[in-house]
Amino acid sequence: NAGVTQTPKFQVLKTGQSMTLQCAQDMNHNSMYWYRQDPGMGLRLIYYSASEGTTDKGEVPNGYNVSRLNKREFSLRLESAAPSQTSVYFCASSEGVQPQHFGDGTRLSIL
Amino acid sequence: QKEVEQNSGPLSVPEGAIASLNCTYSDRGSQSFFWYRQYSGKSPELIMSIYSNGDKEDGRFTAQLNKASQYVSLLIRDSQPSDSATYLCAVLNYGGSQGNLIFGKGTKLSVKP
Repeated sequence: NAGVTQTPKFQVLKTGQSMTLQCAQDMNHNSMYWYRQDPGMGLRLIYYSASEGTTDKGEVPNGYNVSRLNKREFSLRLESAAPSQTSVYFCASSEGVQPQHFGDGTRLSIL
Repeated sequence: QKEVEQNSGPLSVPEGAIASLNCTYSDRGSQSFFWYRQYSGKSPELIMSIYSNGDKEDGRFTAQLNKASQYVSLLIRDSQPSDSATYLCAVLNYGGSQGNLIFGKGTKLSVKP
């Protein structure tokens, strides 16, 4: 009963480093999402994917890229990490338009 | 910029009382509204959705929607300490290839035994 699995759970990067956050869901959902959550800012959508092979920008896409590798997997890449990208990142999936299942989150710190 | 506004709290209520959480939104054309609960250090979980004016009840939870006033609320009856969490209001916004949610910043609820 995995649901949405995110890796890693924690990561510390130096400014300028790159990394990829991985997300996989086992519920056969079409839609997948990446959010970031900052203190006092709520959840903000970075990118989403309505189906395999499609991706769209959300509210805060700058500095990020995504790949919908297949129906199960949706990855988020930071090409050149900046301290402003320090945040908690959540991946989510759904069958409809609202995210119904969230992963446990990745806590990312950029020094 | 479409916005969803919530009082950040904390809202403190005694055990057994009714907790009332409120949310306003700016896009008059919004049609779908959701409440998520998020425990500290955990991920959000969907607890209620509402699409029509009026009330929708699910156990101890009641969602209320007033589209004319652009207002949605969540009532929690017989509040329990286990209800202590941050409650996020979300409104469906249509843009891009499909709709996506705009979240409020959340209201922190504390239920005191």
